[in-house]
Parts: sequence; C-alpha cells; structure tokens
Amino acid sequence: EVQLVESGGGLVQPGGSLRLSCGASGFTFSSYWMNWVRQSPGKGLEWVAKIKQDGSEIFYVDSVKGRFTISRDNAKKSLYLRMNSLRVEDTGVYYCVRALQFLDRYLDLWGRGTLVSVSS
Amino acid sequence: QSALTQPASVSGSPGQSIAISCTGASSDVGGYDYVSWYQQRPGKAPKLILYDVNIRASGISSRFSGSKSGNTASLTISGLQADDEGIYYCASYTRTKGLDVFGGGTRLTVL
Repeated sequence: EVQLVESGGGLVQPGGSLRLSCGASGFTFSSYWMNWVRQSPGKGLEWVAKIKQDGSEIFYVDSVKGRFTISRDNAKKSLYLRMNSLRVEDTGVYYCVRALQFLDRYLDLWGRGTLVSVSS
Repeated sequence: QSALTQPASVSGSPGQSIAISCTGASSDVGGYDYVSWYQQRPGKAPKLILYDVNIRASGISSRFSGSKSGNTASLTISGLQADDEGIYYCASYTRTKGLDVFGGGTRLTVL
C-alpha cells in the first residue's frame, strides 16, 4: 500500500526539541521531493520545509529557519524533521507529504499527521 | 494572516454550482500559473484536487474545475454533492518566498 506514516509528535515545553519521523512504503521514495506541512489548531495550512530527492536542495518557511532541520534517508525510506527551540506557535499537526513526481510544488500523498504541542 | 485570501465559507444545495475565490498578488497568483487546490474533509489530511490552475489530479471528478483572472484564482464545483463538504485551500507559487503559500481555507457546506 502506498502510504506515509508519521511519528515522534508529543508535548514539549517552549525551548524544547522534538524529532519527527516519516516512513514511506509502496513507492520509490528516492524519486520524490518530500515535504513537511503543518496545520495549527483550527487554522490553515503552512508549508514548513521541503527536500529534494538527493537532499541537495532544501527550503524552509522563514519562521522556522535556523530552528528546524529537514533530512532524509533514502535507504531507510524515511523523512525527518528536527525541531529545536520550539515555540508555542509551532503547535499543530505535522504532515509528511510527497510531491508529484516532476511537479514538485504539488502535494499528492499525505500522511495522517502527528500532533506537536508546545506548552508550559 | 494567510498570504492568499479566501472567503471563510460558501454554501450551496445539491446539484447547484459554487465557486471559491483565491486572491493574491502579482508576485504569486497573478504572475504565475502555479495555483493548486486541496480538499480537506473533517478529520482527514488534505487531498490534491487541481494543479497548474486547472489540471485535475488523478481520480478527481470533472465536476471540479479551475480558472484564473488577474490576481484571483477560482475553484468551481458543479453538480454539488453532500460528499463535497469540507474545507478547500488554494496554494500558489510566490517569487518572494522559497516555499509556496496557502490560502486561509474556505468551508463548503452542502445544504
């Protein structure tokens, strides 16, 4: 089955760290750009980060630059998001998302999401 | 505050057509044909519906169509069905940022 499964979310205090993981199955992971998109409670979507197939190109939304690091391990078919210096406003559901092959700005396969709560 | 502006809600009766607008600027929606639309049903992850303004994603019904005029893109759903209820988000490339931006979302209610 073609799917993405996130893990690693949880409750953390402001200033703390978390590492999200995403396992891919059912498709050739190494052939796709991969992304993290978050959704704050009751709010809209925000593209957090994206990484090219071989990891040679990476982009972040301004609000997480210097704090979050996206990475991937193609041999393990896994995507990661290291989140440091977490803020209350980072709270939300974090989705692991695959982009369309050859059209990397469009997101065609989404995981179910993992909840990150930043609170004291 | 989202970079792209969408109405908070729209509604329609079964069988009717509705349109959802997505307004940006010349640096995003107006300057490029890189607009996409996503549907999010309650408790579910978003689902890609349209890309490149009017190209339907795999498996998407022809009842869904897209267009663009100036800085505003639109999603039209014809022959409205109860199953169409959910929140619809637009997204666009923007030359001012490294990542595409989303609209705030529009809740569609089928009466």
